[in-house]
Amino acid sequence: TQLLEQSPQFLSIQEGENLTVYCNSSSVFSSLQWYRQEPGEGPVLLVTVVTGGEVKKLKRLTFQFGDARKDSSLHITAAQPGDTGLYLCAGANSGGSNYKLTFGKGTLLTVNP
Amino acid sequence: SAVISQKPSRDICQRGTSLTIQCQVDSQVTMMFWYRQQPGQSLTLIATANQGSEATYESGFVIDKFPISRPNLTFSTLTVSNMSPEDSSIYLCSVEIGGVGDTQYFGPGTRLTVL
Repeated sequence: TQLLEQSPQFLSIQEGENLTVYCNSSSVFSSLQWYRQEPGEGPVLLVTVVTGGEVKKLKRLTFQFGDARKDSSLHITAAQPGDTGLYLCAGANSGGSNYKLTFGKGTLLTVNP
Repeated sequence: SAVISQKPSRDICQRGTSLTIQCQVDSQVTMMFWYRQQPGQSLTLIATANQGSEATYESGFVIDKFPISRPNLTFSTLTVSNMSPEDSSIYLCSVEIGGVGDTQYFGPGTRLTVL
């Protein structure tokens, strides 16, 4: 069974601060996705990373996939109240008909004005 | 990407009854998934529903409790049977879109409360 350890579980910061969320596993994933979920809505895809060492930027968000494709991080620069939400990482296996996503437990981020 | 809708968006049900949740996608997809998300928790996969075959259930979930239909490539239903308060959750469907990274896209969810 593949497991993804996500940390921290809760994070409350002031507007303008930086933060990093981590996802770690002992398993190798074919790709890793980051989602953001707001109350009452489904998760919305932020990014997919597929290559070891890959770095992707989405405005103030920077995503990195570990060289061994076992871990990933999400860094937010100068956080804003609109960044508040539940951030989920999910690793994909490449098992063909057995394909599935393994989700981390999520990081609930609150950015206070 | 894909546009996914779910019905109902929310419901309040009595113990012992059943609820069927519908998931509609705006394009044909092979793989659809059903998840449960309990309050304040992450997502737990219930089953994978591929058109033309029986759904594949994850450990802890059984067909008698969560029967799934997948009649075509754009539609699926999940039924929560003989409900109890422990079934109160958000139920989400998702689809896997080929291309970069085997990415899944999610519907808005169905918020179920069982009294």
